[in-house]
Amino acid sequence: AQTVTQSQPEMSVQEAETVTLSCTYDTSESNYYLFWYKQPPSRQMILVIRQEAYKQQNATENRFSVNFQKAAKSFSLKISDSQLGDTAMYFCALITSGTYKYIFGTGTRLKVLA
Amino acid sequence: GAVVSQHPSWVICKSGTSVKIECRSLDFQATTMFWYRQFPKQSLMLMATSNEGSKATYEQGVEKDKFLINHASLTLSTLTVTSAHPEDSSFYICSASRGQGGQGTQYFGPGTRLLVL
Repeated sequence: AQTVTQSQPEMSVQEAETVTLSCTYDTSESNYYLFWYKQPPSRQMILVIRQEAYKQQNATENRFSVNFQKAAKSFSLKISDSQLGDTAMYFCALITSGTYKYIFGTGTRLKVLA
Repeated sequence: GAVVSQHPSWVICKSGTSVKIECRSLDFQATTMFWYRQFPKQSLMLMATSNEGSKATYEQGVEKDKFLINHASLTLSTLTVTSAHPEDSSFYICSASRGQGGQGTQYFGPGTRLLVL
């Protein structure tokens, strides 16, 4: 069975600081993809970043970057220079090659403090 | 690119009526669309996977006769909640998959808030 675990239900960070959200996963597949999605109070799910398992290089999108540790099955999200607009629920998701279904974590609620 | 719309954004209906929710991929073709349900402060729960031109695949525990899904074209999928009851009140989100196989990044619609009185 495939699982995604987010062990931090809630986090807070001061504006302009850096925060790291944790995600661990489990799959027996060798080919898979990992995602971080953001869900702000509007509840619109927004893709933050995506990582292909076969790529060793960590994905980066502006202030968002991941630390992908394949052997440890860890996929953490780092947000640099946090902004008030980063306040949201963040979901980690896994999809394996050959299936279209996402496995979502339970989410981490991030609050950026002014 | 990769914009998904959903209509209506919210709906209030009386118990026993049916409600249709539309999901459209606006700037790409989506062979696969998904319907989720989300309860307050919880993660997304997959209800069904919808493939263009074929019957939807429902997750275990989801009543297919209650939640009718039609994927009529590569850009449109609809979810009809039949004979809605108060317990069907929820936030429903659709997504459309762009790409083949396991590379299919899902892009989400803005969601529909359903309240059944």
